[in-house]
Amino acid sequence: DVKVTQSSRYLVKRTGEKVFLECVQDMDHENMFWYRQDPGLGLRLIYFSYDVKMKEKGDIPEGYSVSREKKERFSLILESASTNQTSMYLCASRPQGFHQPQHFGDGTRLSIL
Amino acid sequence: SQQGEEDPQALSIQEGENATMNCSYKTSINNLQWYRQNSGRGLVHLILIRSNEREKHSGRLRVTLDTSKKSSSLLITASRAADTASYFCATDGQGGKLIFGQGTELSVKP
Repeated sequence: DVKVTQSSRYLVKRTGEKVFLECVQDMDHENMFWYRQDPGLGLRLIYFSYDVKMKEKGDIPEGYSVSREKKERFSLILESASTNQTSMYLCASRPQGFHQPQHFGDGTRLSIL
Repeated sequence: SQQGEEDPQALSIQEGENATMNCSYKTSINNLQWYRQNSGRGLVHLILIRSNEREKHSGRLRVTLDTSKKSSSLLITASRAADTASYFCATDGQGGKLIFGQGTELSVKP
């Protein structure tokens, strides 16, 4: 079974802090994704990556950056956390090719105080 | 951008009944996928239907796809309390990105 592991289930940080959310997958998938999920807004794509050191902006990249130094690890960085970034963050991975499902981690519920 | 629109937003049924959720989308797709999310957890992939398929089954799940109407439905037969979750459709179009709907909250009462 594919395993996507997010480093924390719950995280509390303060405004202005630099926050790192880590995601690791164990299936050698090329593609990795970061979403945030908010009530009434569904899942929104923040950033994704097709390969090591490659990144593409999703629908809501402002205030975020990402890093993919190794194939199995995709990090989401909040450069200077703000209260409107309080949310559930979901990481996913997917192999290359058509007709492939995404495999999700359990999510990180991040609160910015 | 949200492509999938799901209907209903919430559904409450008794155990043993069937549950039907609908999804509409706007642009052409390669496939459409359904996911389940238990409260506070990540999404779990349920079933994928390709654009050239009309119907697909997996256990108690039945998915239909009508590309002329740009719509899909997910039927869960003989529902159980453990089926209580949110269900999302996601369309797979250009660029390898999935676009998710806002989901249907299903509550199955024992």
